[in-house]
Amino acid sequence: EAGVVQSPRYKIIEKKQPVAFWCNPISGHNTLYWYLQNLGQGPELLIRYENEEAVDDSQLPKDRFSAERLKGVDSTLKIQPAELGDSAVYLCASSKNVLDTQYFGPGTRLTVL
Amino acid sequence: GDSVTQMEGPVTLSEEAFLTINCTYTATGYPSLFWYVQYPGEGLQLLLKATKADDKGSNKGFEATYRKETTSFHLEKGSVQVSDSAVYFCALRGETSGSRLTFGEGTQLTVNP
Repeated sequence: EAGVVQSPRYKIIEKKQPVAFWCNPISGHNTLYWYLQNLGQGPELLIRYENEEAVDDSQLPKDRFSAERLKGVDSTLKIQPAELGDSAVYLCASSKNVLDTQYFGPGTRLTVL
Repeated sequence: GDSVTQMEGPVTLSEEAFLTINCTYTATGYPSLFWYVQYPGEGLQLLLKATKADDKGSNKGFEATYRKETTSFHLEKGSVQVSDSAVYFCALRGETSGSRLTFGEGTQLTVNP
């Protein structure tokens, strides 16, 4: 069974530029998560989807961050414009249902110059 | 709110040494507790979990016991191997937080031959 796939693995951009991250969850997993992991810290939840619906986005900075999960499968997380402080690893995870084990992708490491 | 505190790292051990990584938590009610491991270049993987007081989670020689009285979930292994070198994260899922995981800061473990 394929795991959670994320791309790109690495991204370097200049501040004020837009950037997007893509996630393909494990087949059949209804719940999808985006986490932010700063250097030397544990992941923090940004947003959770149940199928197509964002049901927990209280930690998502909505002035510059947006996410979508069209058709309830793949998801995209976007930052526009990026700031220096956005440099971090962005993790995607999925689970069959809301209380099942979360499986994480390898993450996208973003560097904002 | 919910929080997790892990012992500060990094931790360096020789092969076959005994490992303890301390984890304490703050949460209302009876959270579920988890240990995740992150190998270099890979996503977080669930190592073990416990969902109620006095439960012991175990996997790959690692163990952790859910201690309600001390609000702890310390990770132990009797004899570590070089292949155990990774970052270990303690996490909880609160009773009222849906599927949101709250992670500790992570502890880097290096095992030398």
